[in-house]
Amino acid sequence: DAGVTQSPTHLIKTRGQQVTLRCSPKSGHDTVSWYQQALGQGPQFIFQYYEEEERQRGNFPDRFSGHQFPNYSSELNVNALLLGDSALYLCASSFAGRADTQYFGPGTRLTVL
Amino acid sequence: AQSVTQLGSHVSVSEGALVLLRCNYSSSVPPYLFWYVQYPNQGLQLLLKYTSAATLVKGINGFEAEFKKSETSFHLTKPSAHMSDAAEYFCAVKMDSSYKLIFGSGTRLLVRP
Repeated sequence: DAGVTQSPTHLIKTRGQQVTLRCSPKSGHDTVSWYQQALGQGPQFIFQYYEEEERQRGNFPDRFSGHQFPNYSSELNVNALLLGDSALYLCASSFAGRADTQYFGPGTRLTVL
Repeated sequence: AQSVTQLGSHVSVSEGALVLLRCNYSSSVPPYLFWYVQYPNQGLQLLLKYTSAATLVKGINGFEAEFKKSETSFHLTKPSAHMSDAAEYFCAVKMDSSYKLIFGSGTRLLVRP
C-alpha cells in the first residue's frame, strides 16, 4: 500500500521564479492538504483540497495556489518566489471527514536563492 | 485562536529512562489531538491521536499520551527511551469546525547512551 508521495525531493530556485510541487495521496484517500515547514519550526497550514476545490486556506498570500486532479493528486504552485519561501513543503492526505487523520509525505525541500 | 504550546525545545534523556514531552493546547472545546514524529530529512509520522474516546491513548513504538481536559494537556510519554527514539516530536490540534492541523513548535528528543 503506497503512502503519500511527493516530487521532487529537492528544488533550487531563484527569487522571482515560479515553482510547482506535486503530491499523490495515500491509496483510498480523497483529500490533500499542504503545509509549509520553515527550518526549526512546526508545519503551517497552507490549504486543503477536496473534490478538486480549495475548501480551507491558511494565512498565506495569493502567490500560493493549488490544484487537485480527478485522480485526487495535487499540485502546489508558488509564484514570484521570495527568499522567505525556502522551506520543507509537506503534503498530507486523508479522507473527507473532519475527524480523519492526515498522513504526511516525505516533503519537498525548496531553496530560494 | 487555537494554539499549541510545547514546553522545552530540547529534551535530553539517558537510554532506558522515562521520556516525557509536554503539550498544552488552548481551546474551550475538546479538540482532536495528535503527536507526530519527524526523523531528520523526513516527513511526519503519526504516533497517536486522541478523538474523544479513551483519555489514555496508546500509539506506536511504545509511546502513549493522556488527555487531561482540566489541564488542557496532552503529554507524550514512553517508559524506556531507545536510541532510535531520537527525533523531533510535534503536538498538533484540530478543531471539529476546521480541517487544518495546528502544530506546536516541536521538541527535539536527544537520547544519551
